[in-house]
Amino acid sequence: AQSVAQPEDQVNVAEGNPLTVKCTYSVSGNPYLFWYVQYPNRGLQFLLKYITGDNLVKGSYGFEAEFNKSQTSFHLKKPSALVSDSALYFCAVRDMNNNAGNMLTFGGGTRLMVKP
Amino acid sequence: NAGVTQTPKFQVLKTGQSMTLQCAQDMNHEYMSWYRQDPGMGLRLIHYSVGAGITDQGEVPNGYNVSRSTTEDFPLRLLSAAPSQTSVYFCASRDRGTYEQYFGPGTRLTVT
Repeated sequence: AQSVAQPEDQVNVAEGNPLTVKCTYSVSGNPYLFWYVQYPNRGLQFLLKYITGDNLVKGSYGFEAEFNKSQTSFHLKKPSALVSDSALYFCAVRDMNNNAGNMLTFGGGTRLMVKP
Repeated sequence: NAGVTQTPKFQVLKTGQSMTLQCAQDMNHEYMSWYRQDPGMGLRLIHYSVGAGITDQGEVPNGYNVSRSTTEDFPLRLLSAAPSQTSVYFCASRDRGTYEQYFGPGTRLTVT
């Protein structure tokens, strides 16, 4: 079975500071990994994905994520946080070797609060 | 393109009532899915479909039915609503060749 853990319910950061939102995963095979963002009263929006290739993946709105196979992690990062980055962030995984409808397993979400 | 649309946005049901949550997409995506979102639990997959006429159960299918008669539509039916089904429901779709899912705006359901 595949699973995702987001160990922090909330991350607080000052505007202009770097931010990291943590994600670890568990799959039996090779993972596809994703980050989504949810703004209040909205659906989820795709930020970035790792399928294969470079371990550092760049996505929308200046976000990037680093795939670390040995630590089974896929942490989301941004060099300089904006107040408008405040939202709920979800990490998701799909096991490449699991054909359960090719669907994703989501983590519990991390609320990012960026203060001016 | 409207993307993924969901109706209604809000709904209040009494225990035992039935209803259908509507989902439609205009991107010609083969894959569609329904999730429920509960605080601290992320999104959990209810049912999914890999094409018209093909559906399957996800992680939490009990109490819900789906059908996929067309590529565009994927309604979710609550057979007999229970307070445990109070949640926010999201429909999503994606193309076969990618893993980027497109989400609808959600339906907030309260069962009293």
